[in-house]
Amino acid sequence: GNSVTQMEGPVTLSEEAFLTINCTYTATGYPSLFWYVQYPGEGLQLLLKATKADDKGSNKGFEATYRKETTSFHLEKGSVQVSDSAVYFCALGNSGYALNFGKGTSLLVTP
Amino acid sequence: EAGVVQSPRYKIIEKKQPVAFWCNPISGHNTLYWYLQNLGQGPELLIRYENEEAVDDSQLPKDRFSAERLKGVDSTLKIQPAELGDSAVYLCASRDSLKGEQFFGPGTRLTVL
Repeated sequence: GNSVTQMEGPVTLSEEAFLTINCTYTATGYPSLFWYVQYPGEGLQLLLKATKADDKGSNKGFEATYRKETTSFHLEKGSVQVSDSAVYFCALGNSGYALNFGKGTSLLVTP
Repeated sequence: EAGVVQSPRYKIIEKKQPVAFWCNPISGHNTLYWYLQNLGQGPELLIRYENEEAVDDSQLPKDRFSAERLKGVDSTLKIQPAELGDSAVYLCASRDSLKGEQFFGPGTRLTVL
């Protein structure tokens, strides 16, 4: 079946540091891959997505590349801000089926 | 464009009591999902609707949980009776079939005492 594994947190970084949150997946077929972000007290928001191998999703300075050969979709940002502090979820989905989520990675960015 | 609306945002009940959650998806989204999110975990599917039909309810504990989506728009999720272990956040999502993206509501945080 489908599953997602992402690095455990919490991750603590200083402002302007480089961020990587690892995500690997197991899937049948050719799923789309997503990163969602959950800010404190808020619901899940779609951050970025990629629908096929070698696609790069990007939004708000965050990027992730769909790597079929390594079954990975790592999230990166070159310079994090305090406002990026949140919980990040990697997820995969096939067509209209439910998303399979990782456990989430908590990020804390300090000034 | 209005997002997915859920109510209530918070609910505290005693065990064995019934509780209901309501969701209004984004207009035009035919697919609706209810997810359960336990503390420190990612969301997990409870039930998926295509219009008014429940097409995947394999993870719904049917002895105490029920759901409906009358007229293929709003949906209600019910628990009766609630147990201590049901304390969690209940998320509703709807899907834009053209973009293949799911949009989530703010969730209902349930506390069972």
